[in-house]
Amino acid sequence: DQQVKQNSPSLSVQEGRISILNCDYTNSMFDYFLWYKKYPAEGPTFLISISSIKDKNEDGRFTVFLNKSAKHLSLHIVPSQPGDSAVYFCAAYTTYSGAGSYQLTFGKGTKLSVIP
Amino acid sequence: DTAVSQTPKYLVTQMGNDKSIKCEQNLGHDTMYWYKQDSKKFLKIMFSYNNKELIINETVPNRFSPKSPDKAHLNLHINSLELGDSAVYFCASSRQSNTEAFFGQGTRLTVV
Repeated sequence: DQQVKQNSPSLSVQEGRISILNCDYTNSMFDYFLWYKKYPAEGPTFLISISSIKDKNEDGRFTVFLNKSAKHLSLHIVPSQPGDSAVYFCAAYTTYSGAGSYQLTFGKGTKLSVIP
Repeated sequence: DTAVSQTPKYLVTQMGNDKSIKCEQNLGHDTMYWYKQDSKKFLKIMFSYNNKELIINETVPNRFSPKSPDKAHLNLHINSLELGDSAVYFCASSRQSNTEAFFGQGTRLTVV
């Protein structure tokens, strides 16, 4: 049962254009969402996050949008650069677990290729 | 300085063997995790430790056991390795009040 879904396994974008990566979730208890970027043979690196009390969070070229009613979030990268080529994972967790740690549920990832 | 480091990076071993993967974090984080990325590329939580207490234990085989000698280390021991254990294992850590987990570079385990 995939609680976090990234339905596009890959995406190709021209350098300078906008990249839009999508993510859907099914667990309505999720209230915090993160995007991670992963290069080959490296661990995932945190990119940007958003709390469910917001609908947008921006950090430089990266913006995450959250639509709670649709249970959908997206990551916008503009302008896209060749160095952005990587696998992007969407992740989510709930603060209602009651535990002191936060169990991230990951999507399957989307491989972004930015073409020079 | 590597924030979360795990060793070895590659591990090839025969079925039935017992192996360990070490993980250390120098971030002063309260919580450490082990994730498994299987052949389908899903990253799934296996364990987490908060202040040396196991507080999440997913339905993994009991052949897998996390050992935390101190807050900066969380090692993963695997007994009687099976072919299906082949995967990439990631260690991670986070502050209790901060949700962004920092990941190690991963250990690719191949069981032959």
